[in-house]
Amino acid sequence: EVQLVESGGGLVQPEGSLRLSCATSGFNFNTYWMTWVRQAPGKGLEWVANINEDGSEQNYVDSVKGRFTISRDNAKNSVYLQMTSLRVEDTAVYFCARNEPWLEFWGQGTLVSVSS
Amino acid sequence: EIVLTQSPGTLSLSPGDRATLSCRANQSVSSSYLAWFQQKPGQAPRLLIYSASSRASGIPDRFRGSGSGTVTDFTLTISRLEPEDFAVYYCQQFLSSPWTFGQGTKVEIK
Repeated sequence: EVQLVESGGGLVQPEGSLRLSCATSGFNFNTYWMTWVRQAPGKGLEWVANINEDGSEQNYVDSVKGRFTISRDNAKNSVYLQMTSLRVEDTAVYFCARNEPWLEFWGQGTLVSVSS
Repeated sequence: EIVLTQSPGTLSLSPGDRATLSCRANQSVSSSYLAWFQQKPGQAPRLLIYSASSRASGIPDRFRGSGSGTVTDFTLTISRLEPEDFAVYYCQQFLSSPWTFGQGTKVEIK
């Protein structure tokens, strides 16, 4: 069974940092691109970043470029999102998802709240 | 950036009704790179349709996606609404970065 479990969310002050993790199981992790998607409270879905199978290629939405870094550890079947210089507008539930390339499998999400 | 515009914003229908949801792109998108998702409150999105018209695993055949070739208009049709179908629906393109979602269509009980 394919499983994705996010962790690492929480309350952080503006300009702070947070590292999200997504632990996966049930599939050959190192053969799939992985993606982070976020959803602000009461709002729609926003694609944040993705990373290729060996971590050599990453793509980001403009609003997080230079502040967020997506990475992966294929030995640990995990993908990460390092978030720095956080802003109030980064407050959202962050989901990780497996690329098929369509996003068929999702985690349950982890909430990041940026507030003073 | 490919912008996806969904209409209507809200659809008020009764169980058993037919729902027709639209997704329009500001530039042509190959149908191979268009997906539809369903989301209920407090849950992760659920993939319904990929490649514009292929149903994901376990999705009932009352859900049908249309739009073929390289086009700007895509449609999700739910032939007969079941109580569990009342939710928010999103289209998404993964043709080019940044991947983008439409703003969503809420299907609510009339």
